[in-house]
Amino acid sequence: GNSVTQMEGPVTLSEEAFLTINCTYTATGYPSLFWYVQYPGEGLQLLLKATKADDKGSNKGFEATYRKETTSFHLEKGSVQVSDSAVYFCALRGFASGSRLTFGEGTQLTVNP
Amino acid sequence: DAGVTQSPTHLIKTRGQQVTLRCSPKSGHDTVSWYQQALGQGPQFIFQYYEEEERQRGNFPDRFSGHQFPNYSSELNVNALLLGDSALYLCASSLGGDMGETQYFGPGTRLLVL
Repeated sequence: GNSVTQMEGPVTLSEEAFLTINCTYTATGYPSLFWYVQYPGEGLQLLLKATKADDKGSNKGFEATYRKETTSFHLEKGSVQVSDSAVYFCALRGFASGSRLTFGEGTQLTVNP
Repeated sequence: DAGVTQSPTHLIKTRGQQVTLRCSPKSGHDTVSWYQQALGQGPQFIFQYYEEEERQRGNFPDRFSGHQFPNYSSELNVNALLLGDSALYLCASSLGGDMGETQYFGPGTRLLVL
């Protein structure tokens, strides 16, 4: 079946530091890949997505590249801000699973001033 | 543009009771999916409704049931509540049933079972 593995957290960074959150997946065929962000007490917001190999999703300074050869979709940001503190979820939409999403466990990011 | 809305925001029930949660999809969307997010975990897919029918179901018991109305809004019902049903219940909407590419999530309903 489909599965998503995220790097273990939590992650604590200083403002303006470089961020990488690792995500790898297992799926048959060619899934679509997503990053969602969850701020405290809120639901999930779509951050970015990529639907085919070598696509790069980007939004609000965050980027992730769909790497089929390494089955990865790592999230990066060059300079984090305190307001980026949240939980980040990697997710996939399987090729044969309709629109249902399979999520990773989430990575808690805390950015200190 | 109205986003996904859910009600109530919080709910406290006791074991054995029944609960109904409600969701209105984003304007223009016709498909609603429900997810359960236990504390510290990623969301788990419960089921999806499209054209007023359950189209897909995750690994949840029959105590979990749902409904979709002609205006595309949806309800999630949970019978015989267990302590383990305590979680954040998220509704997500999309367009086009199984073909929907991107799901947009509501703020969730936090259910506590005592």
